[in-house]
Amino acid sequence: GQQVQQSPASLVLQEGENAELQCNFSTSLNSMQWFYQRPEGSLVSLFYNPSGTKQSGRLTSTTVIKERRSSLHISSSQITDSGTYLCAMRTGNTRKLIFGLGTTLQVQP
Amino acid sequence: ETAVFQTPNYHVTQVGNEVSFNCKQTLGHDTMYWYKQDSKKLLKIMFSYNNKQLIVNETVPRRFSPQSSDKAHLNLRIKSVEPEDSAVYLCASSKSSYEQYFGPGTRLTVL
Repeated sequence: GQQVQQSPASLVLQEGENAELQCNFSTSLNSMQWFYQRPEGSLVSLFYNPSGTKQSGRLTSTTVIKERRSSLHISSSQITDSGTYLCAMRTGNTRKLIFGLGTTLQVQP
Repeated sequence: ETAVFQTPNYHVTQVGNEVSFNCKQTLGHDTMYWYKQDSKKLLKIMFSYNNKQLIVNETVPRRFSPQSSDKAHLNLRIKSVEPEDSAVYLCASSKSSYEQYFGPGTRLTVL
C-alpha cells in the first residue's frame, strides 16, 4: 500500500479562506518535505521539516514524528496558490524521498 | 531561482529509439537523484548518486542507465524506449540527506 497518504485529494476554496492539507505516513520517518508543483510540472520546495513547526509567510508546516503525520496550513488563500501540493518522507538511512499522490488545490475568486 | 538545470524540456520520440537527458546542479551538493512522475502523477525514485557513486538503484528496467561525470552532473540514458516510458523525469540534488531541490523536469512522449 501507499506509504504516504495525502488528504484531501482535492480541495476547492474561495479566495481568502484557509486550507489544511494532511500527510500521514505508514512507517517511521527521519524527515519530510512539502512541495508545490507548478502546472507545468516543476517542483518548488516549500518546507524541509523533520519535526516541529515552521512558518513562511502564509504557509505553516507542522510535523509530529511520533504520530507519523505532517500538515500544511495555508492562510488567506489566493488564486495563485492553486496547484498541486506534494509531501514526501525520507525513512531509515536512505536518501530517497517517498512521495504521496498530492492534494490539488483550486482557489476561486 | 533555478539551480538545478535539465535539458531538454520536452522530447518526442518513436518506440525503440535511444534518448539521453542531462542534469546539472550549481548548488555544490554531493547527492543527485532521478525521479519519474507517471501519468497518475506519482513521483518515484529511480536512481541516486553520491559523489559519483551509485547509492540508490530502484527496480527499473535495464534499458535505463544513469551516468555521472562529476558530482554536479547526472545524466539519464534510455536505450530502446517503450510506450510506458512516457512520463516526466525530474532531477534533484541535496547536500547529504537534507533538503532536496528539483529541476524543471523533462517531459518524454513515446509514440
